[in-house]
Amino acid sequence: SYDLTQPPSVSVSPGQTATITCSGNDLGYKYVCWYQQKPGQSPVLVIYQDTNRPSGIPERFSGSKSGNTATLIITGTQAMDEADYYCQVWDGSTGVFGGGTKLTVL
Amino acid sequence: EVQVLESGGGLVQPGGSLRLSCAASGFTFRSYAMTWVRQAPGKGLEWVSTIGGSDGKTYYAASVKGRFTISRDNSKNTVYLQMNSLRGEDTALYYCAKDGPGGSCDYWGQGTLVTVSS
Repeated sequence: SYDLTQPPSVSVSPGQTATITCSGNDLGYKYVCWYQQKPGQSPVLVIYQDTNRPSGIPERFSGSKSGNTATLIITGTQAMDEADYYCQVWDGSTGVFGGGTKLTVL
Repeated sequence: EVQVLESGGGLVQPGGSLRLSCAASGFTFRSYAMTWVRQAPGKGLEWVSTIGGSDGKTYYAASVKGRFTISRDNSKNTVYLQMNSLRGEDTALYYCAKDGPGGSCDYWGQGTLVTVSS
């Protein structure tokens, strides 16, 4: 089965840049998307097709990919960005989520 | 406005069955794949199943293949998840989501809770 690896936790100070990575074999050949999930809420799509931001998502959210690693970047992180973040790909015939990263803003 | 609303969750005994429904609105339902994702208490997201829009092709996670069946009724804008031979590890909040670009899920419901316990 295909696996996506994320760090369990990332900490960032308010106003600084947070980076969350997602790695997997042959990730360069797959589209990566990212979701934000706050406690008690449904996931929200924040990045699709590696680098695209849905309407309504703040510009401080961006995505990049290099080789087998995709990165979610939050520039000027705000307290409201504290949440769990998940990467996801479609692996031909199955969907795969990363294990999730808890972003703490402190 | 796109809306996705799940229903049908509840308490069921191990080995039992349950059918979840997901009613969608605000988009051309038949043109889009729909996906079920679950989240066990305190755990991460797990992809469960996807059904194609125009072709109705179905896909399943290994953990549910042979026990769960996804289907859709385009006349009712509804997707279903028939869950049989339920196990304790199937206990989770089940989300329904509309498929977006590149295999993403761009709109999610609020989820319906399935508890498998005796």
